[in-house]
Parts: sequence; C-alpha cells; structure tokens
Amino acid sequence: AQSVTQLGSHVSVSEGALVLLRCNYSSSVPPYLFWYVQYPNQGLQLLLKYTTGATLVKGINGFEAEFKKSETSFHLTKPSAHMSDAAEYFCAVSVSGSGGGADGLTFGKGTHLIIQP
Amino acid sequence: GAVVSQHPSRVICKSGTSVKIECRSLDFQATTMFWYRQFPKQSLMLMATSNEGSKATYEQGVEKDKFLINHASLTLSTLTVTSAHPEDSSFYICSGEGRLAQYFGPGTRLLVL
Repeated sequence: AQSVTQLGSHVSVSEGALVLLRCNYSSSVPPYLFWYVQYPNQGLQLLLKYTTGATLVKGINGFEAEFKKSETSFHLTKPSAHMSDAAEYFCAVSVSGSGGGADGLTFGKGTHLIIQP
Repeated sequence: GAVVSQHPSRVICKSGTSVKIECRSLDFQATTMFWYRQFPKQSLMLMATSNEGSKATYEQGVEKDKFLINHASLTLSTLTVTSAHPEDSSFYICSGEGRLAQYFGPGTRLLVL
C-alpha cells in the first residue's frame, strides 16, 4: 500500500519568488511519483513524473522535482512564480510507471498555491 | 494528444434517480480506465478500476451495486450512479491509462437534490 502526504494545504508566495511544494510518500515497492496541477473547473494535468533514472525531473511550465529516496520525498519547485501558477497541486504515487496498473494512483490531499502580486 | 472527455460536465438530479456519466479517450485507446471521486477541498479518491471487456475492480468501501461501471470499448467507460442520494453529490473524475501516464477527464459535478 502507498500513501502520500503533502505538507501545507495552502502555500502563498510572491510573484517572482521561489515555489516549493512538499510531498512525502510511503511505498512498500519502488514508487513511481507524479505531480499533477488542477486549474479551476478543469481536469488534472500532468506536470512531471519520476519513474526510473535521473532523480531530478523537469516538467512543464518551469517546474521540476527531485526524488530523494533517503528522505522519501518528491518536492516540487519552480525558481520564479508566475501569477498563472495559481492552482491546486497534487502529488501522487503509483506502482506503475504509467500511473495505472492494478492500483491506480494514490493522491495527496493537494496544496493550493496562491501567488501574491 | 491523450485527451479524455467526460459527459455531462454538470448534472442535477432528484434523489432516487440514476445518472450515467460517460468517459471517452479521444485520441488513444485505454485498456484501463479509472474512476475517482473528489469531495470539496479534498483529494481524489480512487473508486474503481475499469478494464475493457471485464468486470470493474472496486476499492474497499465503494458499493459496486450503486456505482455501476461498464467499459465496453477501448475508448469508452461509463459510470452509473443508481438511486442517487444527496450524499452522492460530488465531483467524479475519470482517467485513461496511456502509455506514459494517466490522462484525466475534466470531471463531472453531480448534485443530487
């Protein structure tokens, strides 16, 4: 079984500042890790994912995340926040690299990112 | 590519009626589709896994007789909420398993009066 913990249901940063959204996971097998973004009234969009190989993963819109096995973490960062980044962000874990497989995705509770002008 | 649509986007129904939600993968074939439920300000919870041509697998606590899932083709899965009650009001989201990731539909907001 897997679980995901996202620290901070709301994160507020100033435009141009560093964005850091925290995600810790637990998994009994090597995990596949995902970050999704959900804009208001829209479906989830894949930002990036870690399957195997390089632990620093680059995604869309300037986001990146680093898989740290020793810390069981997969924090999401962006060097400079933009107003358009305001959305809900979900971290998820799966036993399948496609995010599917027998168990689907296990999601964290989400972090609402607020960008202050 | 990898677009998933859902229909309807919003539905309001009376208590006791049944509601069908369609999930379609528009530009890829999805052998496996997933149905999630999202309550306000909460995360998505997996309800069931739908495999084309076979019975769905339901998560613990999800009533299979209440939430009927049919996955008759590689591009279409349907979720029918039978005898809906106000507590079934929620945001229902489907996804299709693509080669590289799960691709999510925009969701269906169900309100049961």
